[in-house]
Amino acid sequence: DVKVTQSSRYLVKRTGEKVFLECVQDMDHENMFWYRQDPGLGLRLIYFSYDVKMKEKGDIPEGYSVSREKKERFSLILESASTNQTSMYLCASSSQGLWTEAFFGQGTRLTVV
Amino acid sequence: QKEVEQDPGPLSVPEGAIVSLNCTYSNSAFQYFMWYRQYSRKGPELLMYTYSSGNKEDGRFTAQVDKSSKYISLFIRDSQPSDSATYLCAMSGALGNAGNMLTFGGGTRLMVKP
Repeated sequence: DVKVTQSSRYLVKRTGEKVFLECVQDMDHENMFWYRQDPGLGLRLIYFSYDVKMKEKGDIPEGYSVSREKKERFSLILESASTNQTSMYLCASSSQGLWTEAFFGQGTRLTVV
Repeated sequence: QKEVEQDPGPLSVPEGAIVSLNCTYSNSAFQYFMWYRQYSRKGPELLMYTYSSGNKEDGRFTAQVDKSSKYISLFIRDSQPSDSATYLCAMSGALGNAGNMLTFGGGTRLMVKP
């Protein structure tokens, strides 16, 4: 059974804290993605990676960074959390190709207070 | 203007109704069109995907793509309470190594009442 696992379901952090969101996939996928989901805005791409140590900015990268040291793990880092980063964060992975199915984790609901 | 527009709903229908969910888009480069279903407190799961224009049927679900109008639809026949979820349309174009980077609509929340 394919699996994308996010390290936390719920997180509460304080403004200014450095926050790490971890994602692990067990499907040997090349591509990994981080999205945030807000009501009415759908999923917006923050960063994606198509190979180890490779990363590309998505639509809303400001205030975020990522790390992919191993193929199965993709981390999202909030350098200095702010209240406007309160959101649902979703990790996804897919294999390479013109189109392949993206598999999502269960999401991390982050609240910054 | 967003690249992909989707009515947020909520859409409330009685059990057994036919449901129509729609998205419009502006980028003519999109070639792959998907519908994801997201239950409350879960990640999205792929429901159907279509390449280019045309129809695709899978059980009670039918996906339609009209590239000339930049309009896609998902029809659900004989809707069930278990269909209650948020439905997200998504699209992608041929971009090489990042070929399946998806652009999502905002999602439509569907409620099917017994």
